[in-house]
Amino acid sequence: KQEVTQIPAALSVPEGENLVLNCSFTDSAIYNLQWFRQDPGKGLTSLLLIQSSQREQTSGRLNASLDKSSGRSTLYIAASQPGDSATYLCAVLGYQKVTFGTGTKLQVIP
Amino acid sequence: EAQVTQNPRYLITVTGKKLTVTCSQNMNHEYMSWYRQDPGLGLRQIYYSMNVEVTDKGDVPEGYKVSRKEKRNFPLILESPSPNQTSLYFCASRVLKGLSSSYEQYFGPGTRLTVT
Repeated sequence: KQEVTQIPAALSVPEGENLVLNCSFTDSAIYNLQWFRQDPGKGLTSLLLIQSSQREQTSGRLNASLDKSSGRSTLYIAASQPGDSATYLCAVLGYQKVTFGTGTKLQVIP
Repeated sequence: EAQVTQNPRYLITVTGKKLTVTCSQNMNHEYMSWYRQDPGLGLRQIYYSMNVEVTDKGDVPEGYKVSRKEKRNFPLILESPSPNQTSLYFCASRVLKGLSSSYEQYFGPGTRLTVT
């Protein structure tokens, strides 16, 4: 059974810092990996998707990497802003099932 | 506009009263799925469907039913809701096959269910 872990569970940083969120998974037979953000009480906003054949994807200040062999993905946020405060979730997509991590709650302090 | 819709968005009900949460997508996606989100437990997959008339259990299927009679719709049925099914529910869809598909998941806005 796929297990997905996100560390740290919570993170507080001053505005402007670069930061890295981690996602690790136990079964490397994945289709792709998707990163989401979720604001309190809200739905999921897709940030980046990395296909299993790719090693990284970039969108604006966000960069996500994938290392299937080691079962890890990282989400890099450059020059963090207060508006980045949210919970960040990674989801590992198999052909049939999807497994989410429990998320990293990020607070960016002005 | 490509989207996944869910109804209702909020629902308060009583134990044992059957309910259905609807989910519909307009992207002609083969794959649809239901999740529940609970504090400290994250999102967990309830059921998924690979195509019309093809459904299978996720990690937490107990107490739920689904059906997939049309490609665009995937309703979640709680035949006898209990308080432990109080949760935030999300429906999602994605392409299952295709030459250039990225298999990205698209999520509905969520349904907040309270069972008293």
